[in-house]
Amino acid sequence: DIQMTQSPSTLSASVGDRVTITCRASQSISGWLAWYQQKPGRAPNLLIYQASSLESGVPSRFSGSGSGTEFTLTISSLQPDDFATYYCQQYNTYPCSFGQGTKLEIK
Amino acid sequence: QVQLVQSGAEVKKPGASVKVSCKASGYNFTTYFMHWVRQAPGQGLEWMGIINPRGGSTTYAQKFLGRVTMTRETSTSTVYMELTSLRSEDTAVYYCARYSSGNDYWGQGTLVTVSS
Repeated sequence: DIQMTQSPSTLSASVGDRVTITCRASQSISGWLAWYQQKPGRAPNLLIYQASSLESGVPSRFSGSGSGTEFTLTISSLQPDDFATYYCQQYNTYPCSFGQGTKLEIK
Repeated sequence: QVQLVQSGAEVKKPGASVKVSCKASGYNFTTYFMHWVRQAPGQGLEWMGIINPRGGSTTYAQKFLGRVTMTRETSTSTVYMELTSLRSEDTAVYYCARYSSGNDYWGQGTLVTVSS
């Protein structure tokens, strides 16, 4: 199985900050990676697919990059609505494993 | 508009089974695979498996082999996830999620509580 490792596990930042979350795969997944945002009590929401494609309706301050085994999610200027937990998921190979999550907190 | 509507919360005793439904609307049901993902309280997301609504073929995570069955009913655009031999560690919110290069639509989640 492919292991997905996110870092950091927790990130404290302020409104307006630029933040980056990293996701590493235990083996190459080409570009088959998605990023999700989840708020308490809600289902996850797709932000990025195929590593760098922005899902329709998602603000352009979100961007994704990477291929192979290393990927990043960047939020260019944090807004109050962005404080949530973020997950990466590989869908190159079954099982479609998730990272353990990164909780983005207000500093 | 695309909607995935799941069945309501369940409380089960250890050893019992649960069957969660996910009714799709707003798109061609047989065109998109459906994933099932669960989330234990305060924990991360865990992928359980996938079903192809067109032919009904499935792939399950190794962890759930022998305990999970995913099925579909094309006449009602509904997929089902049944989990047997429930234990306390199966207490979680269970989600169905449509697959389209990432899971673009999710059900609202079904809380399954396993308690004696």
